[in-house]
Amino acid sequence: RKEVEQDPGPFNVPEGATVAFNCTYSNSASQSFFWYRQDCRKEPKLLMSVYSSGNEDGRFTAQLNRASQYISLLIRDSKLSDSATYLCVVNTLTGGFKTIFGAGTRLFVKA
Amino acid sequence: DAGVIQSPRHEVTEMGQEVTLRCKPISGHNSLFWYRQTMMRGLELLIYFNNNVPIDDSGMPEDRFSAKMPNASFSTLKIQPSEPRDSAVYFCASSFKGASNEQFFGPGTRLTVL
Repeated sequence: RKEVEQDPGPFNVPEGATVAFNCTYSNSASQSFFWYRQDCRKEPKLLMSVYSSGNEDGRFTAQLNRASQYISLLIRDSKLSDSATYLCVVNTLTGGFKTIFGAGTRLFVKA
Repeated sequence: DAGVIQSPRHEVTEMGQEVTLRCKPISGHNSLFWYRQTMMRGLELLIYFNNNVPIDDSGMPEDRFSAKMPNASFSTLKIQPSEPRDSAVYFCASSFKGASNEQFFGPGTRLTVL
């Protein structure tokens, strides 16, 4: 089993749709979590951090479920410009630093 | 701020040649990361520096790979000798106070080894 696993995608959704991605992690000692966005042939960029209490940034909501060891990203009212690959990142600082990126989920938003 | 700067942006070389990738982190950032991205394996952390000191190089694939950070504003990733399976996009990223904070990525170096 991979240490960080994401929905394989691709997700094809119409504009205005709501779409959700999940990311599971295997190390219960993991401490910090992020969602990054990567456009085609570009570098990853931080979309949002994921906090235990959940956090929202405009149309984007991120949540962490420590008991079930997964994080989620919800995108409401999808825009064409949301088309990208979404990468979850899980950091573990216990017993030595480790940062692991998920394989990414591709999202295509269509008009 | 110019962001993380990487050079070259593209490199095409022949098997057996030495390849050196360069990175200038964002000024003031004290953590630097080297990643490799391929379609098959995704984004993999190769090595992580904190205050110019390598903290974890367990991701370095083999002895052909080496990384240095002689000062706070410069790092290199060297592959010697290069092999076709090293073909990938290599990203450098930097952050302030470690990986618990946002990592800012450079534009990457697209390496092709023939």
